[in-house]
Amino acid sequence: GAVVSQHPSWVICKSGTSVKIECRSLDFQATTMFWYRQFPKQSLMLMATSNEGSKATYEQGVEKDKFLINHASLTLSTLTVTSAHPEDSSFYICSGPTGPSYEQYFGPGTRLTVT
Amino acid sequence: AQKVTQAQTEISVVEKEDVTLDCVYETRDTTYYLFWYKQPPSGELVFLIRRNSFDEQNEISGRYSWNFQKSTSSFNFTITASQVVDSAVYFCALSGWNTGFQKLVFGTGTRLLVSP
Repeated sequence: GAVVSQHPSWVICKSGTSVKIECRSLDFQATTMFWYRQFPKQSLMLMATSNEGSKATYEQGVEKDKFLINHASLTLSTLTVTSAHPEDSSFYICSGPTGPSYEQYFGPGTRLTVT
Repeated sequence: AQKVTQAQTEISVVEKEDVTLDCVYETRDTTYYLFWYKQPPSGELVFLIRRNSFDEQNEISGRYSWNFQKSTSSFNFTITASQVVDSAVYFCALSGWNTGFQKLVFGTGTRLLVSP
């Protein structure tokens, strides 16, 4: 399957600062990537669809001004958590591209802790 | 609306026992895909299997098998002769024609603990 990487794998930041998470498709060009959020011991919730060369599509209830997504190239999508607060602490996972039967390949995730 | 229900929050078994993880789904799409993913403690999701809505054949892969029944909207996953390495959270997921099969809707997951 496709290889997706994320950087960093974990990050600790102070409340009020911004943090950027990178998601790279290593062996495939991806016009679309997806960002999920997972709270401890909970399921994955789709936050937004990242579209190369255009604006991201956010799911209902997700603040687009807080979670900035940029898909600048066919191999890189970034998620920036702006003015982070402790409640933004979570596990953020990106995915893409979809496989031949629409299976998604997930990155290893980024654990964000806001203090 | 699409929904995936995994009623079993946590299952504990002893090594070599068989275990079945339940998954029930809801969708209005007539064409859809169902998936199972494994999330070990490291956190990275591992794709296990996908089934399309027109293929109700059961599938076996080593110790893993899947039972898809459209009549009951279920896609259950059985691990035979479980091993400690099977300990993980398992997610069932669904994608439908209505979203171009792009968006995955996940169940809440079942945590499987296999003890030696």
